[in-house]
Amino acid sequence: DTEVTQTPKHLVMGMTNKKSLKCEQHMGHRAMYWYKQKAKKPPELMFVYSYEKLSINESVPSRFSPECPNSSLLNLHLHALQPEDSALYLCASRIGQGASFRNTEAFFGQGTRLTVV
Amino acid sequence: DAKTTQPPSMDCAEGRAANLPCNHSTISGNEYVYWYRQIHSQGPQYIIHGLKNNETNEMASLIITEDRKSSTLILPHATLRDTAVYYCIAVGFGQNFVFGPGTRLSVLP
Repeated sequence: DTEVTQTPKHLVMGMTNKKSLKCEQHMGHRAMYWYKQKAKKPPELMFVYSYEKLSINESVPSRFSPECPNSSLLNLHLHALQPEDSALYLCASRIGQGASFRNTEAFFGQGTRLTVV
Repeated sequence: DAKTTQPPSMDCAEGRAANLPCNHSTISGNEYVYWYRQIHSQGPQYIIHGLKNNETNEMASLIITEDRKSSTLILPHATLRDTAVYYCIAVGFGQNFVFGPGTRLSVLP
């Protein structure tokens, strides 16, 4: 199973709502990532988790709150978003993070398309 | 991460080989060259990666120049389903996948 599963596929939320995006993998990968992709732009790295600990936060606003409850699951909690936060949110996983793993690819999910109204 | 540069767009006739170039003139010795593609509104799909030697798999071939300053991804017989944005990414020790603008490949019937 080389699949990264993201739910939901589509989400519409108001600016006062709280919602969560979910990402799951069962490949035994210990590095997991959140990316944000605006229309016609490349994916931008948001967060990196390594062994369930947050290792990189790319200066993401606090209205985005990541969580890694276990090695298979990654969540992105959303609160008080703005319309400009509407985007495709991509999750990825990799066997590990660090020098030993530079020869390993990352697997991406199909994304959650988020619309903030 | 080494910066990579790619042409913004390319066309290819269906059934012909698609050759997508990538320049990575500042790549360091420990950085691998990875290629991904993204078909409209889907997640990026891994294609191939390499360090020094040419690589081939069921999807594509990767040719890396001897000085490692550039590489070419070859899709040997392009189909309409290969229409996508192709990203070339250099990844080294402890580095993450940072995407540049990529090349938008259009396969034409």
